[in-house]
Amino acid sequence: DQQVKQNSPSLSVQEGRISILNCDYTNSMFDYFLWYKKYPAEGPTFLISISSIKDKNEDGRFTVFLNKSAKHLSLHIVPSQPGDSAVYFCAASRVTSGTYKYIFGTGTRLKVLA
Amino acid sequence: SQTIHQWPATLVQPVGSPLSLECTVEGTSNPNLYWYRQAAGRGLQLLFYSVGIGQISSEVPQNLSASRPQDRQFILSSKKLLLSDSGFYLCATTGGRHYGYTFGSGTRLTVV
Repeated sequence: DQQVKQNSPSLSVQEGRISILNCDYTNSMFDYFLWYKKYPAEGPTFLISISSIKDKNEDGRFTVFLNKSAKHLSLHIVPSQPGDSAVYFCAASRVTSGTYKYIFGTGTRLKVLA
Repeated sequence: SQTIHQWPATLVQPVGSPLSLECTVEGTSNPNLYWYRQAAGRGLQLLFYSVGIGQISSEVPQNLSASRPQDRQFILSSKKLLLSDSGFYLCATTGGRHYGYTFGSGTRLTVV
């Protein structure tokens, strides 16, 4: 059972436009969500997080939106840059459990076209 | 700040051979430690996690095992590798400015 889903395996966007990456989850107990960026042959790097008590978190060009009723989160990148081309993973956890076990989606490969 | 060291970066092993991947953490004490695997075309799958020395929890039944002989050392092992063990293995720890992970640079394992 895939508790965290990224239904779009790939996305292409023109440089300067908005990139929107989506993520759905099934477990209503998840209370913390993350987005990671991954280049080939490297470990993922943290991008942005959001707690379930919020519906939006912004950090520079990156904004994450959380819709708890729909069990959906999205990552907006504005404006998109060629260096943003990478695989993006969303992840969810119930951090109140103390074990910080994150369930990851299958990733979306973003390609920003110059 | 925390740093995770993983080695080797790349490994090619024959089917049936043993495996030992090591991960060490600096800049923190008593960390939670995790092993993840990214198989071709798939997401990141949690394999094992540890909340302390000698404490290992397995998430997925498989051909692998993990050990934590020291506070900041986490080892992934196999007695006999299978072709299906090929993948990109990542060690991670919690902490930092968010509740998420800091990942190591990963090991690309190819079983031939």
